[in-house]
Amino acid sequence: QQPVQSPQAVILREGEDAVINCSSSKALYSVHWYRQKHGEAPVFLMILLKGGEQKGHEKISASFNEKKQQSSLYLTASQLSYSGTYFCGTDAEILRSGAGSYQLTFGKGTKLSVIP
Amino acid sequence: ETGVTQSPTHLIKTRGQQVTLRCSSQSGHNTVSWYQQALGQGPQFIFQYYREEENGRGNFPPRFSGLQFPNYSSELNVNALELDDSALYLCASSLRNTGELFFGEGSRLTVL
Repeated sequence: QQPVQSPQAVILREGEDAVINCSSSKALYSVHWYRQKHGEAPVFLMILLKGGEQKGHEKISASFNEKKQQSSLYLTASQLSYSGTYFCGTDAEILRSGAGSYQLTFGKGTKLSVIP
Repeated sequence: ETGVTQSPTHLIKTRGQQVTLRCSSQSGHNTVSWYQQALGQGPQFIFQYYREEENGRGNFPPRFSGLQFPNYSSELNVNALELDDSALYLCASSLRNTGELFFGEGSRLTVL
C-alpha cells in the first residue's frame, strides 16, 4: 500500500522552512527521500533505517518515527533550487525479499515551489 | 548526471504492439530496478534484477518482462500494449546492500 504524503503542494518564499510528512500503514524497514525536478530523474536525498538516527544533509534533514511508521523531511532556509516534487519511498518489512534489495513503494509526492 | 542511461527517450506505439526499453547501469552497479511513473504520480515498482535474475516484482502483469545482461545492463519488455501503459519508465541502478538508487532520465512511452 502506498505511503501517504502531506501536504500535496506547498509554496514557500526563499528563506522559509517547510516540513513534508510521509506515513505508512505497514511496518517499515526504511524510508527513502527523493527529489524530482520537472522533466528530470529523481535524485536521492537520504535514507532512514529502522533503528537509525535522524539524518541531515546541508539544510535538509529527516526523521523516522518507527512506532508511528511516519517520516518527516525538514527543509530549512529554503533556496530556489529546492523547488521540485519530493517523494518518500518506503520499504516494508513484510515485502523484503532479501537483505539490501530495496524495492520501494513511493508516495504520490509533494510539490514544493520556492519563489523569490 | 547519474551515469545511468536509458533509450529511447521518447516513443509512440499503438495498442497491442510490443516495446523494448533499454538501460545501462552506472559502472559497478549490480542491481537494476524498473519503475513506472504515470503523470503526476510517484514511481511504481515493476521489478528488480540482481546478477541476471529477477529479485522481486511489483503488482504488474506477466506481459511486463525483463532481462539483465552480464554487463549489468537491462531491458524492459512490454507485450500487448494498453493505453494505460502510457507513462515514464525509469531505470535505477544500485549496489546490493546499499540504499541509494541512481535513476536514469527515463523513457517516455505513449500508447495510442
